[in-house]
Amino acid sequence: NAGVTQTPKFRVLKTGQSMTLLCAQDMNHEYMYWYRQDPGMGLRLIHYSVGEGTTAKGEVPDGYNVSRLKKQNFLLGLESAAPSQTSVYFCASSYEGRYGQPQHFGDGTRLSIL
Amino acid sequence: DQQVKQNSPSLSVQEGRISILNCDYTNSMFDYFLWYKKYPAEGPTFLISISSIKDKNEDGRFTVFLNKSAKHLSLHIVPSQPGDSAVYFCAAQHQGGQNFVFGPGTRLSVLP
Repeated sequence: NAGVTQTPKFRVLKTGQSMTLLCAQDMNHEYMYWYRQDPGMGLRLIHYSVGEGTTAKGEVPDGYNVSRLKKQNFLLGLESAAPSQTSVYFCASSYEGRYGQPQHFGDGTRLSIL
Repeated sequence: DQQVKQNSPSLSVQEGRISILNCDYTNSMFDYFLWYKKYPAEGPTFLISISSIKDKNEDGRFTVFLNKSAKHLSLHIVPSQPGDSAVYFCAAQHQGGQNFVFGPGTRLSVLP
């Protein structure tokens, strides 16, 4: 029972490089989310999706793009990586986005931008 | 400005004693709160929640208390066990709000 799977687990990039983080869930959840976690700060929402083919901006969307072409996958892209994007990235999903519904998280991707 | 605050970055407790983790919020519209637990190299996992219509919710060794007038909630773990050593995040949501706002977390160490 995989739940939410994130790939890769670790990545080092140089400034200006691009990459895509993949999130896959096998729980048939409608809602998916991308967060970043930085020291001393809580999880901050980057982008989210309320269903296949939809995306919306969260609290800190600048410098990131997302796509939800298939219900089970949610991709986070960095077009031109910057050192400020060094962080741990978490993907999450929930059956619905309604009030009070807990989210299921992946194990994170640790990304370093040099 | 953080809307959800966890002012203690870390807490150490002896095994068998009570652990109390605190969370304060500034947005009076928040009316649903969750606690997540996170082990190193893993994602957060849901622990317990409370709605503003209650002031207490209990699940085994875990109890969450909510004081709406003070905009404060706390998580009590009794008795604390070494396996409880983790980072605990408080998260808040309001009706009509789609997403949660997370606090910065408190690292709990339960010493044998």
